[in-house]
Amino acid sequence: DTAVSQTPKYLVTQMGNDKSIKCEQNLGHDTMYWYKQDSKKFLKIMFSYNNKELIINETVPNRFSPKSPDKAHLNLHINSLELGDSAVYFCASSWTGGATDTQYFGPGTRLTVL
Amino acid sequence: QKEVEQDPGPLSVPEGAIVSLNCTYSNSAFQYFMWYRQYSRKGPELLMYTYSSGNKEDGRFTAQVDKSSKYISLFIRDSQPSDSATYLCAMSASGNQFYFGTGTSLTVIP
Repeated sequence: DTAVSQTPKYLVTQMGNDKSIKCEQNLGHDTMYWYKQDSKKFLKIMFSYNNKELIINETVPNRFSPKSPDKAHLNLHINSLELGDSAVYFCASSWTGGATDTQYFGPGTRLTVL
Repeated sequence: QKEVEQDPGPLSVPEGAIVSLNCTYSNSAFQYFMWYRQYSRKGPELLMYTYSSGNKEDGRFTAQVDKSSKYISLFIRDSQPSDSATYLCAMSASGNQFYFGTGTSLTVIP
């Protein structure tokens, strides 16, 4: 069974559309994250949730809205997609979110905005 | 200036070579240091974790942290083609927030 899963794996869409990416973890972890990895492989945290509560919200446009219906799921909704949103989005999870916790990453969702 | 700087490479070495990967950082509060390996089209996976200064060894991999120079390294001995991947360093001051380098692309040629 996949520990951290994301859907879809690939997403190609037009500018201006609204899209969602889903993430689920079956590890029983309390903390989940969303990261954005650009074309130069730079990985930057966007959001962190602990037990469904927002912990980290980096300077991300408010077009991006995370939603955590329960601690096993953290979905990412993006409104009014822009060309610059094209990237690979990774979901991750860890036990408590502490610095010593291993983060387990999902396989990524490759978003292309045309 | 980025919090963490890492030479993106690409780095290409023959099988069996010793590989040295490095990151520098600017925030002296960082005390948790990690190396992740990312295969093509996959998510990163934790390879090594080190707290504060010093060395840590795990098989063919050795992580070194020099906090006085704000410099961390990952050494791979007897490199194998299966080591071909992008290696990302990451660091944190105290907890939730991790800052990643841009990754170094490594190819080990058989």
